Amino acid sequence: DSGVTQTPKHLITATGQRVTLRCSPRSGDLSVYWYQQSLDQGLQFLIQYYNGEERAKGNILERFSAQQFPDLHSELNLSSLELGDSALYFCASSGLVAATNEKLFFGSGTQLSVL
Amino acid sequence: GEDVEQSLFLSVREGDSSVINCTYTDSSSTYLYWYKQEPGAGLQLLTYIFSNMDMKQDQRLTVLLNKKDKHLSLRIADTQTGDSAIYFCAEGTSGNTPLVFGKGTRLSVIA
Repeated sequence: DSGVTQTPKHLITATGQRVTLRCSPRSGDLSVYWYQQSLDQGLQFLIQYYNGEERAKGNILERFSAQQFPDLHSELNLSSLELGDSALYFCASSGLVAATNEKLFFGSGTQLSVL
Repeated sequence: GEDVEQSLFLSVREGDSSVINCTYTDSSSTYLYWYKQEPGAGLQLLTYIFSNMDMKQDQRLTVLLNKKDKHLSLRIADTQTGDSAIYFCAEGTSGNTPLVFGKGTRLSVIA
């Protein structure tokens, strides 16, 4: 068990809908990262928050947004969903800001299926 | 930009050694990582190596780094069926840049 909790484990929705994925980092970790895993693109970095503030942005679509709350849990909001958004979404946490020796601890992911 | 390449599949017999290869492009990489993803689970850190090292051994795992060729490998000795998983190579660079992952190598171990 990595200590990172993601809910829900599975989500099935329709195109055009909006969903929220939730992540609770390991106790004491201040950084939260969101990744999208698909068969063709591999593991793509979406966004990072550190202690409530956005720290780094990757290949995140404008239809997607995230935030980190004062209790350090994070939510990833996906709107106007398309079939191509179907993927496994991972949250990871670490204790460091964005150091080169950061070790990420991953949750077990949310499998999103857009029908 | 940064890019990490791995072969997608590897199949080995139980008891043999597995070697998973990775190439990266960013010469400023400071740390290089191997993560393991078992079915239905998230990624788990296996091992990592500093860029100023050539080799690191941890029980059945050996990591080799050729910085000149930007080539990283993970050798698993005496491969077991429980080693069947997807193995991701990742590089960490200086500054405020999160890890860059390869697409993963799916290791299948045949009994």
